[in-house]
Amino acid sequence: EAGVAQSPRYKIIEKRQSVAFWCNPISGHATLYWYQQILGQGPKLLIQFQNNGVVDDSQLPKDRFSAERLKGVDSTLKIQPAKLEDSAVYLCASSFSGLVDQPQHFGDGTRLSIL
Amino acid sequence: QKEVEQDPGPLSVPEGAIVSLNCTYSNSAFQYFMWYRQYSRKGPELLMYTYSSGNKEDGRFTAQVDKSSKYISLFIRDSQPSDSATYLCAMGGGSARQLTFGSGTQLTVLP
Repeated sequence: EAGVAQSPRYKIIEKRQSVAFWCNPISGHATLYWYQQILGQGPKLLIQFQNNGVVDDSQLPKDRFSAERLKGVDSTLKIQPAKLEDSAVYLCASSFSGLVDQPQHFGDGTRLSIL
Repeated sequence: QKEVEQDPGPLSVPEGAIVSLNCTYSNSAFQYFMWYRQYSRKGPELLMYTYSSGNKEDGRFTAQVDKSSKYISLFIRDSQPSDSATYLCAMGGGSARQLTFGSGTQLTVLP
């Protein structure tokens, strides 16, 4: 079974620039998550999709972050404009049904550095 | 007060030692308790999952949940250098439909 794929692995941009990340979940997984992991902290949920609908985006800074999951498969997360505090690893995860007791399978993340 | 507290370490032990990793939490509604292992520059991977209180054993790993004390533990027996990673506790359930993660404990097992 192929795992969760993310790209790019690394990205360096200057503040106020825009950046986009891509995620391809495990085949058949209805639920897709985007997390932000700041150095020394645990992952923080940004947005959760169930198929192509948003279940929870309460912690997504909507003035600068946006995400979409067209056709209920791949997803992109965008930041525009980036701030210094956005430097973090952005993790994508997927699960079969989205119930809290379902295992979440993580990709290896995109490491974002803002200069 | 954070909803989930985890000692960040770092924790360094010799090979073969018994390791104890712990988390405390404040939300009594949590029912599902998980431990994820995260190697450097990798995503977290699920290691152990426990529902409600009690113990669960899987090979060298034992997870314990004490809901009365709002305290969970992960024990690693006969620790190996390959166990060197960051260990994240995560929990959810009740009114919490999403997982809340601890900040992680960085473990190094020295050969």
